[in-house]
Amino acid sequence: EPEVTQTPSHQVTQMGQEVILRCVPISNHLYFYWYRQILGQKVEFLVSFYNNEISEKSEIFDDQFSVERPDGSNFTLKIRSTKLEDSAMYFCATRREDQPQHFGDGTRLSIL
Amino acid sequence: QKEVEQNSGPLSVPEGAIASLNCTYSDRGSQSFFWYRQYSGKSPELIMSIYSNGDKEDGRFTAQLNKASQYVSLLIRDSQPSDSATYLCAVAIRGGADGLTFGKGTHLIIQP
Repeated sequence: EPEVTQTPSHQVTQMGQEVILRCVPISNHLYFYWYRQILGQKVEFLVSFYNNEISEKSEIFDDQFSVERPDGSNFTLKIRSTKLEDSAMYFCATRREDQPQHFGDGTRLSIL
Repeated sequence: QKEVEQNSGPLSVPEGAIASLNCTYSDRGSQSFFWYRQYSGKSPELIMSIYSNGDKEDGRFTAQLNKASQYVSLLIRDSQPSDSATYLCAVAIRGGADGLTFGKGTHLIIQP
């Protein structure tokens, strides 16, 4: 069964550095999402992306964050000037029209 | 403010019994409802989706939706130890186009 693929599985970064998290959606999926889950807390929506533009973003998704689909396959989340509180699991999810979202395995981001 | 409420548990159920998981949501505009299963340290895995009032069955799982009461539930029949996980209720406003709002999840333990 096709899967959403996320890389890296674990990223360790110094505070203040920039990180890029990558997601390869399932091939015929057109809607893309990023979520985060701080340890022990609920899954939180960050942003949705469709037709090469942001559809919706949450209050969490401020100027520190950006998304793009640079090559028509990868869907990336960039976090600039990382902070300790950015440490979390970051999940990419994708879906087809009128279908539920399917999640990737996630990237564990650790900010030191 | 969109809220999704779940009892965090743990909910302990004997093997072979029926597990009943409940969820309430605050936004009456919610249209799509999902149950995800999340094992510790893993990503959410879609179990069921439901869009209209009533019951929807898939194997050992039955989702129930009551929009008037803003209530959605998941029944797991013939519970197995492998069903032990955290079950996340998720809600979308506009047919899934918006990002999902998740509850904190109910930790289910199936006792052998």
